[in-house]
Parts: sequence; structure tokens; C-alpha cells
Amino acid sequence: EAGVTQSPTHLIKTRGQQATLRCSPISGHTSVYWYQQALGLGLQFLLWYDEGEERNRGNFPPRFSGRQFPNYSSELNVNALELEDSALYLCASSFIRPKQGTDTQYFGPGTRLTVL
Amino acid sequence: AQRVTQPEKLLSVFKGAPVELKCNYSYSGSPELFWYVQYSRQRLQLLLRHISRESIKGFTADLNKGETSFHLKKPFAQEEDSAMYYCALRGNFGNEKLTFGTGTRLTIIP
Repeated sequence: EAGVTQSPTHLIKTRGQQATLRCSPISGHTSVYWYQQALGLGLQFLLWYDEGEERNRGNFPPRFSGRQFPNYSSELNVNALELEDSALYLCASSFIRPKQGTDTQYFGPGTRLTVL
Repeated sequence: AQRVTQPEKLLSVFKGAPVELKCNYSYSGSPELFWYVQYSRQRLQLLLRHISRESIKGFTADLNKGETSFHLKKPFAQEEDSAMYYCALRGNFGNEKLTFGTGTRLTIIP
């Protein structure tokens, strides 16, 4: 079974530009999560989508946004890029256990975003 | 607020010696605790979760609610255990995000 996939592997942008990162979840998973892994800051929760809706977001400015498509794949958009947005962006997916919440999150390989 | 603390950034252990990676958490409800591992050039992967109460690759972790800890242990370290280890917490139903610790880099000395 294919795992979580992310594209592109690497992305280089300049300050002020926009970046779009993509994620395809494991088949059967309806929830997608985005995390930022910046140097020295560890893994920080960005966004959670389930069934096409944004369910939760972390402490990030509104220029970090995204969406989830009917096939459950997801995009993360970062507008007005700043140098400190340089990081590894990880996507994870899981399925919902009825009345219990989401199951284990499985991670993709990440997209390395570099802002120059 | 939920918080996970891994006090050791780096830990070196001789092959065959016991390993203990510390994790303490702060959460007002009943959390679910996980250990994730990232081997060199591989993606982050689940090692174990407290509700499974199983041993994976010889590692075990017991949730101690009194001490709010979820330490990861292995009696005899192997060279292939060298990796980055992250402790993570998930809150109650509806608060599904994972809060990660800053990670511990474990190096097994041959």
C-alpha cells in the first residue's frame, strides 16, 4: 500500500512569493495534517483538514492556508513568503475512528521549502 | 495547553547497554501518547503508542499519569537504534493535533 506522498520534494522561492505544497493521503484516510519542522523549533502543528473542512489550525499567521479536495488530497499555500518560512513541511494522514477520534497519523517524506 | 518535554537533545549509549529516552507531558485531560522515530534519510514513522501496550523493536513505554511521563526504554541497545526520537501527545477527541517534543538524537556506540 502506498504511503503518504508529497510534492515537490524541494521548493526554492524568494521573499514575497507564494508557495504551494501538495499532499496525497493514504487510501481510505480522510484526515490530513500539516506540520512545519523548522531548524531549532521542532515539529509544529499547522493545519488539520477532514472531509474537506478545516478542523483546527496552529499558531501561524493567516498567510498560511490550505484546502482539502474531494479526493482527500490537500494543498498548503504560504503567501508573502518570509525568510523564516524556510523549513521542512510534513504532511500526515489518518482515518477517523467512530466516536473515538482520529487514528494514528502517518507521515509523508516532506517538502523542503527554502526562501531566499 | 498541551506541552511535551524531552530533556535530552543528545544521548549516546554503548551497544548492549540499556536505553531510556525521557518524555514528560502537560495536559489537563486524558492524552494519547506516541513515540515516533526518524532514521537517517527516512520519513518520520510511528514506533509505538501507549494504548497498544506493545513492544516494537524491543522498545517499550509505559504511561505514568502520576508523573506525567512516557519514557521510552530498551534493555539492550543495537546499532540500528541510532535515530532521532520524538515523543508526541494527542488531546481528546476533537483536539486531534499532535504536539511534539523537540526530539532526542540517540547514537549507539559500537
